Amino acid sequence: DGGITQSPKYLFRKEGQNVTLSCEQNLNHDAMYWYRQDPGQGLRLIYYSQIVNDFQKGDIAEGYSVSREKKESFPLTVTSAQKNPTAFYLCASTRGAANTGELFFGEGSRLTVL
Amino acid sequence: RKEVEQDPGPFNVPEGATVAFNCTYSNSASQSFFWYRQDCRKEPKLLMSVYSSGNEDGRFTAQLNRASQYISLLIRDSKLSDSATYLCVVKSPRVNYGGSQGNLIFGKGTKLSVKP
Repeated sequence: DGGITQSPKYLFRKEGQNVTLSCEQNLNHDAMYWYRQDPGQGLRLIYYSQIVNDFQKGDIAEGYSVSREKKESFPLTVTSAQKNPTAFYLCASTRGAANTGELFFGEGSRLTVL
Repeated sequence: RKEVEQDPGPFNVPEGATVAFNCTYSNSASQSFFWYRQDCRKEPKLLMSVYSSGNEDGRFTAQLNRASQYISLLIRDSKLSDSATYLCVVKSPRVNYGGSQGNLIFGKGTKLSVKP
């Protein structure tokens, strides 16, 4: 079955540590996205990539970094510079490079900073 | 005015009830509109797109009022399995994202709880 796989599902990190969240898709989708969700808040866009080897900042890119070396993969690194990293992180993809609004999401990664 | 605004609820309704959610958006140039469903601690999933003429999918009806800048979702004959948070999503043009990208703005969601 095609889909988006995020790992790990749960992650605990000490302050000052970088952590990388994995996102892999086998849907052959062009565009991929990273969102962050906090309790009682709407999803906020961190980074997106419409094509391999290219990515753009979203609304809250500070303290995060990404890469898109392969079409299937879009890992997100939460760096120590991110002030409030505890959140639910969602990776998504869309069929074409243009965002039609029909996002396919992975199951999410829940990051807790101790 | 917030970009996309929803009543957070919770809406507590009995099985079989009809329930309606509203959502308002601030950018009159918004292009596309959607309702997503998110179960507790799960990822959002697209429920339906919202078309200008209104559209129906089984027990779900979505409507768009561009003049008043609001979108609605009506659920008829509520089922226990409809319990979830419903996210209103609006695609709006954003200068820094480029013409083809736009940006999806997510509302905070309206929580629905259907009771036996």
